Amino acid sequence: DIVMTQTPLASPVTLGQPASISCRSSHSLLHSDGNTYLSWLHQRPGQPPRLLIYKIYNRVSGVPDRFSGSGAGTDFTLKISRVEAEDVGVYYCVHATQFPPMYTFGQGTKLEIK
Amino acid sequence: EVRLVESGGGLVHPGGSLRLSCVASGFTFRNHYMHWVRQAPGKGLVWVSRSDADGSILTYADFVKGRFTISRDNAKSTLYLQMNSLTAEDTGVYYCVRDLGTYLTVTPDSWGQGTLIIVSS
Repeated sequence: DIVMTQTPLASPVTLGQPASISCRSSHSLLHSDGNTYLSWLHQRPGQPPRLLIYKIYNRVSGVPDRFSGSGAGTDFTLKISRVEAEDVGVYYCVHATQFPPMYTFGQGTKLEIK
Repeated sequence: EVRLVESGGGLVHPGGSLRLSCVASGFTFRNHYMHWVRQAPGKGLVWVSRSDADGSILTYADFVKGRFTISRDNAKSTLYLQMNSLTAEDTGVYYCVRDLGTYLTVTPDSWGQGTLIIVSS
């Protein structure tokens, strides 16, 4: 089974400063169709998760462009160029596998303001 | 607007059963894979189960196999999760999740608000 490991698990950040979260998988996530089904979710306290980015770097409509995704193979990164107060919460990377068809989540990274 | 509304949660004794429902609207339900994902209090997200678009291929996490059954009624745009032999470890918020894909599992692009299940004596 694929294991998704996020670092750091907690990230205190100053408003206006950048933040970066890493997600590493135990196996390459490159699918035979050429896509990599690696996504990033954001969960605010008391709220359901919300999809931010899918297939490594595709931002969902309405997600600010200060969020960006990158990576390939087993190493992926979510970057926030300038953290705003509304960005607090927990960020999860998630891989969509095909065989078996399921989701594998990272442990989550808690972003908080210093 | 995509909308997923879960119901059926509550307090149940160990060994008991519950049936969760998720009513979908704002999209063509029968075209999408649907999942259940749960979150124990203060913990991370854990995938539970998935149904393909017509409900013919059902997949489960090992820890619920033989106890939970996912199903769907495309005519009613509703996803279900029948949960039997519940234990304290099943406590948490259960989310109904739509996958973006229509023939592949791509990404969990829409989430319901969740329904809380508490298994306790």
